[in-house]
Amino acid sequence: DSGVTQTPKHLITATGQRVTLRCSPRSGDLSVYWYQQSLDQGLQFLIQYYNGEERAKGNILERFSAQQFPDLHSELNLSSLELGDSALYFCASSPQGIVLSGANVLTFGAGSRLTVL
Amino acid sequence: SQKIEQNSEALNIQEGKTATLTCNYTNYSPAYLQWYRQDPGRGPVFLLLIRENEKEKRKERLKVTFDTTLKQSLFHITASQPADSATYLCVAAEGGSYIPTFGRGTSLIVHP
Repeated sequence: DSGVTQTPKHLITATGQRVTLRCSPRSGDLSVYWYQQSLDQGLQFLIQYYNGEERAKGNILERFSAQQFPDLHSELNLSSLELGDSALYFCASSPQGIVLSGANVLTFGAGSRLTVL
Repeated sequence: SQKIEQNSEALNIQEGKTATLTCNYTNYSPAYLQWYRQDPGRGPVFLLLIRENEKEKRKERLKVTFDTTLKQSLFHITASQPADSATYLCVAAEGGSYIPTFGRGTSLIVHP
């Protein structure tokens, strides 16, 4: 158990629908990252939050949105789902938001597998 | 554009041998590199971090090198075991950047 909790583990839904993925970071970590991993694809960075504020955006579609709540858990909302959105969605956490002289080691959750039919 | 490249072809080796995985980067000046292990259907797990001013880092059977001239990192597993079979991901971030960028990973298969 990494300490990062993601729910649900599996989700099957239809095209056009909307889903919410939830992530609780490791205790003490302030930063949450969302990554998408499609079949045979690498981990694609979507978005990062630090202590409730959006810090960086990657290749996140306009149909996707996220937020981090005061208790530091985060939700990733995926709407108007398409077949191509089927993927593993990972949440990771780290203690810091930006570190100039150090390095952000990420602790990943087990992922949420989304299947869009 | 910035790229992190890992060999997409799986590496097959015999148990007991040393596995060497390669990570090359272009248009990048990473302040550090990290290596993660990912098992099928699971989240990556951090293994080692090496900074740009370090040439080599070791942890038990693992060793990583960082050559800023060649723009390359090598990841070695000595005395490999079937349990080492997994995908290994190289990760880089530039100084001041808080967004670790992942390579696509190399699959290692250790045969008994």
